Formats: sequence, C-alpha cells, structure tokens
Amino acid sequence: LAKTTQPISMDSYEGQEVNITCSHNNIATNDYITWYQQFPSQGPRFIIQGYKTKVTNEVASLFIPADRKSSTLSLPRVSLSDTAVYYCLVGGFNDYKLSFGAGTTVTVRA
Amino acid sequence: NAGVMQNPRHLVRRRGQEARLRCSPMKGHSHVYWYRQLPEEGLKFMVYLQKENIIDESGMPKERFSAEFPKEGPSILRIQQVVRGDSAAYFCASSPQPGDNSPLHFGNGTRLTVT
Repeated sequence: LAKTTQPISMDSYEGQEVNITCSHNNIATNDYITWYQQFPSQGPRFIIQGYKTKVTNEVASLFIPADRKSSTLSLPRVSLSDTAVYYCLVGGFNDYKLSFGAGTTVTVRA
Repeated sequence: NAGVMQNPRHLVRRRGQEARLRCSPMKGHSHVYWYRQLPEEGLKFMVYLQKENIIDESGMPKERFSAEFPKEGPSILRIQQVVRGDSAAYFCASSPQPGDNSPLHFGNGTRLTVT
C-alpha cells in the first residue's frame, strides 16, 4: 500500500477555503486516491475519490496533478461543522485493507 | 434508510472478561469489515466477512479475537479474556461487494474500555 503524508493539523475560519495536500510518492498505476472525514465519536465518512485530474462533488473537490504523486482536497467555504479529521488513503478501488494514518485535524473557528 | 448499526456504543469490561460487539450492515449489503482504532491512531483493518464466510482475517490478532457473520443476524466481533491493550474504538463497515462503485459505509463504532 502506498504511504501517504499529510499535515497533522490545519486551522481555518468560517467561510474560507481549506486545502489539504497529501503526498503519495509511491502511488501505483492502479491506485485511487480516497478521502474520508471523521467527526469525534463517529465512523469515517467517504468524501471523494479520484484517479487523475480533478473530481468535484457537492462536498469537495479533489485535484490530482499529472504525476499523481500528490493530491489536494479542497473544501470550499468551510463552516464550524467541518471541524473534523480528514484522511487521505491510496489504494485499489474500494480496497478494504486501506489503513488510515493520523489524518489532518482541521479546526474551523468562528 | 438505516446506515451501518453498531451496538453497544460503549462497552466496559474488566480484564479477563469477554466482549461481544455487534454490527448490522446497511440494507442490501452482504460484505462486512471490522476495523480497530487505538487511541491517537488511525483505523486498522482487522477482518472481512461475507455471510457465513470469513474472507480475510489477516489483520486480526491470532488469539482471543474471532468474528462471524451468520446467515441471520448481525456480524459479531468477539474478544475473549480482554486485556487493557484491547481498549479501542471498533468500527464496522459494509459494502454491497468489493469492486462495486460504492465506497465503504462505516458505523459509529463501539468504544471498548477494559478496566
């Protein structure tokens, strides 16, 4: 499984855009990049998944450069309720053995 | 449309007792996965089950831990003779089938505390 590196924490304010970059230098050709969100005392929740270029849904955007050695999760106009831990995972499509690292703790302040 | 249901949400056991954690997958899902999250760590895969079959238990400790997913009823993760190091949050996820276009759906976990 490809190793990922992401910042331990990020602070932001309501209404701002939050960008979290994840490094995955040894990503394999068949690997997808998946982001999950986890609130305290809850299970992870799928946010977005992509393979290359850009993916957008109603929650976030995922930017993946051509070399795929990194990816950036973009959360537009965050609110206090976006305070959570965000995990970047790299592996096969729906790879159930994905191990979640420490993630990035995003704190949104008023 | 109920999501993945886990119970109990909190479980306290004394060292040496048994812990039973239950997971009911989402409706229509026949694949269940168990994960453990130790304090200050990320989730780690333990076991993957289909109805009446263990598909992959490579992440589960060889001793004291077992899992089942019977034809009827929820999946059960059983920990015998618990020790303090078993204290963690245990999450269950489900999917229609691996390789399906839908991501894993997680429950809200069972927090096991061993005293």
